[in-house]
Amino acid sequence: DTAVSQTPKYLVTQMGNDKSIKCEQNLGHDTMYWYKQDSKKFLKIMFSYNNKELIINETVPNRFSPKSPDKAHLNLHINSLELGDSAVYFCASSQDETQYFGPGTRLLVL
Amino acid sequence: EDQVTQSPEALRLQEGESSSLNCSYTVSGLRGLFWYRQDPGKGPEFLFTLYSAGEEKEKERLKATLTKKESFLHITAPKPEDSATYLCAVHGGASYGKLTFGQGTILTVHP
Repeated sequence: DTAVSQTPKYLVTQMGNDKSIKCEQNLGHDTMYWYKQDSKKFLKIMFSYNNKELIINETVPNRFSPKSPDKAHLNLHINSLELGDSAVYFCASSQDETQYFGPGTRLLVL
Repeated sequence: EDQVTQSPEALRLQEGESSSLNCSYTVSGLRGLFWYRQDPGKGPEFLFTLYSAGEEKEKERLKATLTKKESFLHITAPKPEDSATYLCAVHGGASYGKLTFGQGTILTVHP
């Protein structure tokens, strides 16, 4: 069984479009995260939710809006996509200190 | 602000040639140091969590150690399937839930 899953796996879109990425975890964890991995493979946190409540909101353009309908799901909506948004976005979840990552969504903005 | 620096950036080994990867960190109140393995096109896969200086953890050919300033990932007699990017991250006491990652070490093991 997949622990942390993301959809879609690949996303190719035009500049200016709006897109969403979905994440689900079946580990029963209370906390979920979104990370961005740039072309140099550097992973940086964007957001974190604990029991549907936003607890980490790093310096991210307000075009990015996370939403947590329940503690097993955390979605990321991106408005007015820009070229610089091209990256791999990872979802993760945790119950204690250790975070478990999903397979990633590869976003390419043309 | 928490900082993590990994070295070397890339490491090429022959099969069976043991070596170590380094992770230097500065953090305010360490709550955990983490090692992950990332294969191309995949998400980071959890390997170890270390909580305090002197702690060691092992898994197959990998052994992670921790001091107050750095962590080492020792690889004993590596095999080609150990080839991957190894990521180090810290969770500081002042940053609830936030992991700060290093840039990773790309390990290539040749047969």
